[in-house]
Amino acid sequence: RKEVEQDPGPFNVPEGATVAFNCTYSNSASQSFFWYRQDCRKEPKLLMSVYSSGNEDGRFTAQLNRASQYISLLIRDSKLSDSATYLCVVNSDFGNEKLTFGTGTRLTIIP
Amino acid sequence: EAGVAQSPRYKIIEKRQSVAFWCNPISGHATLYWYQQILGQGPKLLIQFQNNGVVDDSQLPKDRFSAERLKGVDSTLKIQPAKLEDSAVYLCASRFPGTTSYEQYFGPGTRLTVT
Repeated sequence: RKEVEQDPGPFNVPEGATVAFNCTYSNSASQSFFWYRQDCRKEPKLLMSVYSSGNEDGRFTAQLNRASQYISLLIRDSKLSDSATYLCVVNSDFGNEKLTFGTGTRLTIIP
Repeated sequence: EAGVAQSPRYKIIEKRQSVAFWCNPISGHATLYWYQQILGQGPKLLIQFQNNGVVDDSQLPKDRFSAERLKGVDSTLKIQPAKLEDSAVYLCASRFPGTTSYEQYFGPGTRLTVT
């Protein structure tokens, strides 16, 4: 089983719609979780951290369910500029600050 | 603040040839990572440095890949000899160690094509 699993998509969503991605992780001892965004042929960039209590940043909401070992990302009122690949990332090697990336979910917002 | 620098941006070589990539992290970032990202996959960690010491190289194919960070600043990753399956983007990332944030800052990557 992969450490971090995501549905690779692609998700093709009309502009203005709400879209949600889920991600599961295998190491129950994992402590830190993140969503990174990667535009086509660009480097990954941190979108947001995911906290146990859930957190929101504008149109983006991240949730963590430790019991089921999954992380979600919700994008409301999607915009054309949201088109990208969204990478689920988990830190499960705390001493070494090592991040494990999922395969990414590709999102295309359709005008 | 300058970001992570990488060169070259693109490289095309034939199988069995050698290639080297260079990375200069953000100033003050003691932790440096090299990742391999194959098309359609997420970045996979190859090696992690803390200053000039190796922290984790468990996924580095040591029979053909090598990396160094001699002065604890910039780093080079070498492949010798290259195979077709090494075609990928090689990403360098850095972070300031010991902070509560695990954010890594990535360079633009080197796109390697092995023919």
